[in-house]
Amino acid sequence: DAGITQSPRYKITETGRQVTLMCHQTWSHSYMFWYRQDLGHGLRLIYYSAAADITDKGEVPDGYVVSRSKTENFPLTLESATRSQTSVYFCASSETVNTGELFFGEGSRLTVL
Amino acid sequence: AQKITQTQPGMFVQEKEAVTLDCTYDTSDQSYGLFWYKQPSSGEMIFLIYQGSYDEQNATEGRYSLNFQKARKSANLVISASQLGDSAMYFCAMRVYSGGSYIPTFGRGTSLIVHP
Repeated sequence: DAGITQSPRYKITETGRQVTLMCHQTWSHSYMFWYRQDLGHGLRLIYYSAAADITDKGEVPDGYVVSRSKTENFPLTLESATRSQTSVYFCASSETVNTGELFFGEGSRLTVL
Repeated sequence: AQKITQTQPGMFVQEKEAVTLDCTYDTSDQSYGLFWYKQPSSGEMIFLIYQGSYDEQNATEGRYSLNFQKARKSANLVISASQLGDSAMYFCAMRVYSGGSYIPTFGRGTSLIVHP
């Protein structure tokens, strides 16, 4: 199906473990983004990508790693999960650089014990 | 520095009445875009409305309109004839120029509850 999908939708892990959240879009949008949503903070940008092999840090990048070897995929990795990374993570994509709608995935709820 | 400010953590409105959700922004760019998204309790992000900085008319989409006051740097969302299904979190967002790209930046959101 066309769209943007995230997996897993729910994940429980332990402190110190590596976790990868997947994001896949079928539109060939150039821009992709990872946000985390926490109560009282709204959505904060973790990393973004302007194209394949081009990524850059957002507002809260510490503890996260991204890659974008293919236009359609933008995985987010927590190399050593911490409790403070318990959050809901949203992936989004956008066709244009300046204007235009952001298309969001359904979100991935991550709990770090 | 916060670029998008939503000063109302929570709002209440009676069904069928209109409600305005406030949003102010800070940018020195001449070209930018402003958005509103709705997040119901189910969690998905739903795009509502978009306003370009050069658009002369306020954007409207059905019951949603964006009251764009460029000089005051405000982009308030007006929902007319509120419905129970409008109860949700509402986020204002703006694309902010950074490192050669326009990065969407979000406010902290306003929780709207519509009473019957």
